[in-house]
Amino acid sequence: RKEVEQDPGPFNVPEGATVAFNCTYSNSASQSFFWYRQDCRKEPKLLMSVYSSGNEDGRFTAQLNRASQYISLLIRDSKLSDSATYLCVGMDSSYKLIFGSGTRLLVRP
Amino acid sequence: DAMVIQNPRYQVTQFGKPVTLSCSQTLNHNVMYWYQQKSSQAPKLLFHYYDKDFNNEADTPDNFQSRRPNTSFCFLDIRSPGLGDAAMYLCATSRWGVDEKLFFGSGTQLSVL
Repeated sequence: RKEVEQDPGPFNVPEGATVAFNCTYSNSASQSFFWYRQDCRKEPKLLMSVYSSGNEDGRFTAQLNRASQYISLLIRDSKLSDSATYLCVGMDSSYKLIFGSGTRLLVRP
Repeated sequence: DAMVIQNPRYQVTQFGKPVTLSCSQTLNHNVMYWYQQKSSQAPKLLFHYYDKDFNNEADTPDNFQSRRPNTSFCFLDIRSPGLGDAAMYLCATSRWGVDEKLFFGSGTQLSVL
């Protein structure tokens, strides 16, 4: 089982839609989780940290579910500019950050 | 202002010809990382420096070496590039002991002919 797993997508949604991605992790002791956004042929950029209490930043909401070992990212009112790959990051058993392979989002007009 | 700077943005090398990629940072972060990312794959950690302490990942090939002469600079040396080493190489920094947020450079896209 991969340490951090994501559905590769693509998720193809119309502008204005709400879309959610999940990411599962295997290390129950992992303390830190993040969502990064990566545009084609560009570097990953931190979108948001994921806290136990959840985290909201404008149209973006991140949640952590420790019981089921997954984190989620919810994007409301999708914009064309949200089209990108979203990388989930957790920790492995030696507490190093591990990236998922990413979920690709396509927002169409 | 770019805070983690990688040069060059694109690098073409020949099979077996040594190549060096460079990274510099203005953040004064104590940890620097090198990741390899191939198309549609997760960034894969090659090694990292905590200050001057070098930490190699177990599955990083011997073909890959790194140097960190000071806090600001870090280099990735590929001694004998193979076709399978064509990838995006990402340098990142973080503040160990503060948080684990990674700050990435814009990457170097390496092609091997």
